[in-house]
Amino acid sequence: DVKVTQSSRYLVKRTGEKVFLECVQDMDHENMFWYRQDPGLGLRLIYFSYDVKMKEKGDIPEGYSVSREKKERFSLILESASTNQTSMYLCASMFLQGNLYEQYFGPGTRLTVT
Amino acid sequence: AQTVTQSQPEMSVQEAETVTLSCTYDTSESDYYLFWYKQPPSRQMILVIRQEAYKQQNATENRFSVNFQKAAKSFSLKISDSQLGDAAMYFCAYTALYNAGNMLTFGGGTRLMVKP
Repeated sequence: DVKVTQSSRYLVKRTGEKVFLECVQDMDHENMFWYRQDPGLGLRLIYFSYDVKMKEKGDIPEGYSVSREKKERFSLILESASTNQTSMYLCASMFLQGNLYEQYFGPGTRLTVT
Repeated sequence: AQTVTQSQPEMSVQEAETVTLSCTYDTSESDYYLFWYKQPPSRQMILVIRQEAYKQQNATENRFSVNFQKAAKSFSLKISDSQLGDAAMYFCAYTALYNAGNMLTFGGGTRLMVKP
């Protein structure tokens, strides 16, 4: 079974703090993603990476950055946390071979910024 | 840009009954996949069912089946013989097969409640 793990299930941070959310997958997938989940808005893509050190902006990258130094690890960074970044953050990794496509999700990190 | 719309924020169904969740999408692509994901309360998002756009036959997985209407850009999920464990948020999602990164575009979700 593919495992995607996230470093914390719940996190409380103060406004202005630098926040790191870590994601690790154990299946050698090349593509990894960070989504933000808010009620009524579904999941929105923040950033994705298709290889080590490669990253692309998603739909809502403002206020976030990412790091992919190793294939299995994809980190989301909030340089200066703000209250409007209080949300559920989901990491995912993707497998694509021919027409077979699967995206696996981590358990999520619920971040509260006070 | 692709969009996915779920028009039902909440649905409820009686245990053992059948319920249908709606999803529409907008795309100019011809090769794409559609998905339904389930997110139980405080639990991990899991894939329920997948439909390849090039396949005319509707996908089925046990009690879950889809009604894929490509021309209408509609992709509904039918849950038969509903069980208490089906209670969850359900998300419809889309990906164009050859888009950069192959990321998913999600609808806003439908919360399904199952009454005993």
